[in-house]
Amino acid sequence: AQKVTQAQTEISVVEKEDVTLDCVYETRDTTYYLFWYKQPPSGELVFLIRRNSFDEQNEISGRYSWNFQKSTSSFNFTITASQVVDSAVYFCALHAGKSTFGDGTTLTVKP
Amino acid sequence: NAGVMQNPRHLVRRRGQEARLRCSPMKGHSHVYWYRQLPEEGLKFMVYLQKENIIDESGMPKERFSAEFPKEGPSILRIQQVVRGDSAAYFCASSPSPRVNTEAFFGQGTRLTVV
Repeated sequence: AQKVTQAQTEISVVEKEDVTLDCVYETRDTTYYLFWYKQPPSGELVFLIRRNSFDEQNEISGRYSWNFQKSTSSFNFTITASQVVDSAVYFCALHAGKSTFGDGTTLTVKP
Repeated sequence: NAGVMQNPRHLVRRRGQEARLRCSPMKGHSHVYWYRQLPEEGLKFMVYLQKENIIDESGMPKERFSAEFPKEGPSILRIQQVVRGDSAAYFCASSPSPRVNTEAFFGQGTRLTVV
């Protein structure tokens, strides 16, 4: 069985603060993908990043960075210098044949 | 996630009516997945279909819900005799292969409101 846990239900920060969203996953598959999606108030799913299980390199894209640690089954997401437009629900997902999503973390960035 | 087309984007149904949600996968993709997102919750897997076959329906409610993916045309998720609790966003994803290490691409979702 697959499971994705996003322990933080809601996070509130002030603009320009850094914020890290945690994601811990469980799977017996040795080959899988991990994703982060952003869901703004408009409701669509915005793809942010994909990582396969054999690639533990951390990645930085602008203000976004991801830390994949297979040893702890974690795939954490950090937003540096947060902005009001970052306010959204963020989902971590595991794909191994089908996708399993965490329950999401609602990030509110206040001006 | 460009390429997976879902329609309608918004659907309003009265209790007891039928809802039909359509998903056209990306070109070349023959595998479709449906997910439901209840208000304030994450996405939950419902069903996985290949052309003309249901592969995994472990997440489908036992009654009133059905899905198909015919040889020609889009995949259809059908909800009969809708109730208020069916109000949710329904997302479709497609992939080119059933292999575990293949990415799935998501559509924009259909928001069903039952009044």
